[in-house]
Amino acid sequence: KNQVEQSPQSLIILEGKNCTLQCNYTVSPFSNLRWYKQDTGRGPVSLTIMTFSENTKSNGRYTATLDADTKQSSLHITASQLSDSASYICVVRDNNAGNMLTFGGGTRLMVKP
Amino acid sequence: GAGVSQTPSNKVTEKGKYVELRCDPISGHTALYWYRQSLGQGPEFLIYFQGTGAADDSGLPNDRFFAVRPEGSVSTLKIQRTERGDSAVYLCASSPQPGSEQYFGPGTRLTVT
Repeated sequence: KNQVEQSPQSLIILEGKNCTLQCNYTVSPFSNLRWYKQDTGRGPVSLTIMTFSENTKSNGRYTATLDADTKQSSLHITASQLSDSASYICVVRDNNAGNMLTFGGGTRLMVKP
Repeated sequence: GAGVSQTPSNKVTEKGKYVELRCDPISGHTALYWYRQSLGQGPEFLIYFQGTGAADDSGLPNDRFFAVRPEGSVSTLKIQRTERGDSAVYLCASSPQPGSEQYFGPGTRLTVT
């Protein structure tokens, strides 16, 4: 069974600090990997998308990296803001399963002033 | 433009009752997905529609769950004989075509007492 595992499950940091969230997956063959941000009570919103040939992609203060050989991705948040408090979900698309997406359990980030 | 909308936003029902959850996708999106998200977990796939037909319903947990999309736009997720374990947030997403980015609605929080 395809799996996507994220760590840590939760994280508390002070405003202005950086942090890195991890995602390990077993989905193979792999089509693409997305990081979503989900605010409390809202649906997930896509931050970045990477194919197997991309190593890094940035979206403002968010930078995602991908190592397709080790099947690992990370999301780095720079100069965190209070509005970054949310769950961050790693999602991998299986190239053999149509539009099937496998979601990680998410990392719940809390940024404190 | 309008995003994916879901109604109701919250639903409380008694064990054994029948509920219907509605999803209005983004206009023109042919693909529609239902997910279930338990507290602290990532979304789990339930069913995927391409047009009016259910292209993949492998995520439906049992025959108490059913979904329709009769005109290829609005979809309704139907749950019969609800159980306390059905309590979760039910997310709907749509995409312009299979494989393209999915846009999520805010979800319906279902609580079965």
